[in-house]
Amino acid sequence: KAGVTQTPRYLIKTRGQQVTLSCSPISGHRSVSWYQQTPGQGLQFLFEYFSETQRNKGNFPGRFSGRQFSNSRSEMNVSTLELGDSALYLCASTYGQGAFLSGELFFGEGSRLTVL
Amino acid sequence: DQQVKQNSPSLSVQEGRISILNCDYTNSMFDYFLWYKKYPAEGPTFLISISSIKDKNEDGRFTVFLNKSAKHLSLHIVPSQPGDSAVYFCAASARYGGSQGNLIFGKGTKLSVKP
Repeated sequence: KAGVTQTPRYLIKTRGQQVTLSCSPISGHRSVSWYQQTPGQGLQFLFEYFSETQRNKGNFPGRFSGRQFSNSRSEMNVSTLELGDSALYLCASTYGQGAFLSGELFFGEGSRLTVL
Repeated sequence: DQQVKQNSPSLSVQEGRISILNCDYTNSMFDYFLWYKKYPAEGPTFLISISSIKDKNEDGRFTVFLNKSAKHLSLHIVPSQPGDSAVYFCAASARYGGSQGNLIFGKGTKLSVKP
């Protein structure tokens, strides 16, 4: 069974640009969550999608957005990039909404974004 | 305000000895707790979990203890092996609460097991 796939793995952008990251969940998983990992803050929850609807959102500015498609694949977008957006962006999938049913998330390897 | 706290950024232990990683939480609605392990350049992987109705859960060399009154949990690794060297994240979920079961993570503890 294929795991969670994230693309691209690495990317470099400059301030003011925008970026789109993609996530393909494990087959059969309908919930996709996004997390930002930085050295000082650990893993911070961005948002969760279930059945193409955003079910929950973390404490991030509106520059961070996402969506989910009918095949459960998800994208997140960051507009007007700032230096502080440099981080590892992790996508995780699970069968049920949130961690309610399965109790655990399956993570991808992440997309490492560097903003210059 | 951090709801899940891992106050030790790093921990170093000798191979064969016990590793104890600690985690504190503030939200009394949390009823499910998990530990994840993360190697460099990889995503976190699930290690072990515990429900709030239990105070201990064991899986091989890994045991998680939960003290609800103290809002504290710990992960014990016995015996520690060099391959256990990784960053360990504590996570908590309020499955029946308003957060709809999303996982809240601590900042992680980097464990180094020396041969």
